[in-house]
Amino acid sequence: GAVVSQHPSWVICKSGTSVKIECRSLDFQATTMFWYRQFPKQSLMLMATSNEGSKATYEQGVEKDKFLINHASLTLSTLTVTSAHPEDSSFYICSARDSWAADNQPQHFGDGTRLSIL
Amino acid sequence: GNSVTQMEGPVTLSEEAFLTINCTYTATGYPSLFWYVQYPGEGLQLLLKATKADDKGSNKGFEATYRKETTSFHLEKGSVQVSDSAVYFCALANSGYSTLTFGKGTMLLVSP
Repeated sequence: GAVVSQHPSWVICKSGTSVKIECRSLDFQATTMFWYRQFPKQSLMLMATSNEGSKATYEQGVEKDKFLINHASLTLSTLTVTSAHPEDSSFYICSARDSWAADNQPQHFGDGTRLSIL
Repeated sequence: GNSVTQMEGPVTLSEEAFLTINCTYTATGYPSLFWYVQYPGEGLQLLLKATKADDKGSNKGFEATYRKETTSFHLEKGSVQVSDSAVYFCALANSGYSTLTFGKGTMLLVSP
């Protein structure tokens, strides 16, 4: 089946550093990928929609300069949290749609990245 | 706009009990409906889906029927196991669109 690999699964870093999270579709092409943020015991909040070869579309309230998204190929999207601070600590999850799938087919999710900023 | 409402958890059951997690939705058009499951520390896995009215999605003993007249997609399982303990998310996506709208999630705790 369709597999989405997210790396790293867990990262701890100091305040002020930048952290890059990768999302790869391993056995399918994904024109569109999605980045979500999940706070403890809460639902997923869509942060942005990442489109291969073009700029990402950010949801209202999400800082574009804070959360940089690059989707340079059909199998890879990256989310960079710039100058991270403790309030950026969260669980970040990516998902991808198979470019050749019908519109009613589901997204495939990565296993998430737990980001802890000290 | 679209919205999904799930019953609040946690739902606490003994092994082999019957499970129902309620989900209702508001959407324009004819959305596809999904149940996702999230095990501790992991991402989401698709559990089942239904793409049109009266469709029944099923997987691993779980079932849900797309009820357009009541705008519902309740998740059921006849006999839960400890390994079913997880958070369950109901979600919808409009036909022709990719964005998922999630409910808040319902935690299920199954004890031996």
